[in-house]
Amino acid sequence: GAVVSQHPSWVICKSGTSVKIECRSLDFQATTMFWYRQFPKQSLMLMATSNEGSKATYEQGVEKDKFLINHASLTLSTLTVTSAHPEDSSFYICSARGLQHYEQYFGPGTRLTVT
Amino acid sequence: AQTVTQSQPEMSVQEAETVTLSCTYDTSESNYYLFWYKQPPSRQMILVIRQEAYKQQNATENRFSVNFQKAAKSFSLKISDSQLGDTAMYFCAFMKGNEKLTFGTGTRLTIIP
Repeated sequence: GAVVSQHPSWVICKSGTSVKIECRSLDFQATTMFWYRQFPKQSLMLMATSNEGSKATYEQGVEKDKFLINHASLTLSTLTVTSAHPEDSSFYICSARGLQHYEQYFGPGTRLTVT
Repeated sequence: AQTVTQSQPEMSVQEAETVTLSCTYDTSESNYYLFWYKQPPSRQMILVIRQEAYKQQNATENRFSVNFQKAAKSFSLKISDSQLGDTAMYFCAFMKGNEKLTFGTGTRLTIIP
């Protein structure tokens, strides 16, 4: 089956620094990838949709200058949290759309802790 | 905008028993997809089952089956012969066409040995 990886799986950074999370589709090409945020015991909240070669579409209330998304190739999308603060601490999950538009494969997630 | 409601925040059932998780949704669309995803303690999202709205037949995947009531906008998940490995958060989700997934708030299911 289709596999999506995320790196790193866990990252700790200091307040004010930036951190980059990578999302890769390992055995298929993904023109569309999604980035979610999940707080403990809550559902997934879509942050943005990224399409290869074009600007990401952000959901309402998500700061595009704080959460920079780049989808430079058909197998890689990155999320950069800029000037991170403790309130950005969360679990970030990416997913990639498969060949069929109703298929969406999820990465294992990245736990971000900002101290 | 579409909404997905899961009214059972938590459920527990004895191993080998059957459990049904409920999900209702609101949409004015006639063609869409419904999903159940499982998120175990590892937090890896796993697709359990998918239902296309234009199909009247309820989807089944081994021990997992759905009761899709389109007119009532209801999409429940039945887990038969529950196993310890079924312990997880279960999310119901809706998708219209080529658009994004809309998730419900989730049901935490615990299988008791």
